[in-house]
Amino acid sequence: EVQLVESGGGLVQFGGSLRLSCAASGFTFSRYWMSWVRQAPGKGLEWVANINQVGSEIHSVDSMKGRFTISRDNAKNSVYLQMNNLRGEDTAVYYCARVGYSSSTWDYWGQGTLVTVSS
Amino acid sequence: QSVLTQPPSVSAAPGQKVTISCSGSSSNIGNNYVSWYQQLPGTAPKLLIYENNKRPSGIPDRFSGSKSGTSATLGITGLQTGDEADYYCGTWDSSLSGVVFGGGTKVTVL
Repeated sequence: EVQLVESGGGLVQFGGSLRLSCAASGFTFSRYWMSWVRQAPGKGLEWVANINQVGSEIHSVDSMKGRFTISRDNAKNSVYLQMNNLRGEDTAVYYCARVGYSSSTWDYWGQGTLVTVSS
Repeated sequence: QSVLTQPPSVSAAPGQKVTISCSGSSSNIGNNYVSWYQQLPGTAPKLLIYENNKRPSGIPDRFSGSKSGTSATLGITGLQTGDEADYYCGTWDSSLSGVVFGGGTKVTVL
């Protein structure tokens, strides 16, 4: 059974940093692109970043480049999101998702981890 | 403001059909596959449709997808109370070099 389990969310101050982790199991992790997608409270989905199977190709939203960095460790079956200089608008549930079928299709999602940025 | 445009809400009685539109442009829907996701209250999104009209294993054929030009449509027939959820369309945008979503459509079963 495919499982994606996020961790690392919580309350952080404006300008602070946080590192999210996503532990994958139930499939050959190194064969798949992985992504982070977020959802602000009461709002829609917003794609954050994709990373290829070996971490050599990354796509991310322009507005988050320079602050957010996606990475992965295939030996640990994990994908990460390093978030720096956090702002109030970064408050959201962050989902880890597996890219399947095409670059904009996620066939499995984690349960999400909540990040709250506050003063 | 989302790149893809969806109606905020649609509703119908149990057993009826609803359709949800998703409008975009040539840089996204017009030249890329569309996916649809269902998000039940308090849960993570779930893939319903991929590559415009294909259903993953386990998704009932009450759910269907289509695409024409720069628009896509999700159809739900035989509406059930368990279908009450938010539905999102998504696709790659070649101009933005990223994934874009619609703002979501809330389906209400009357």
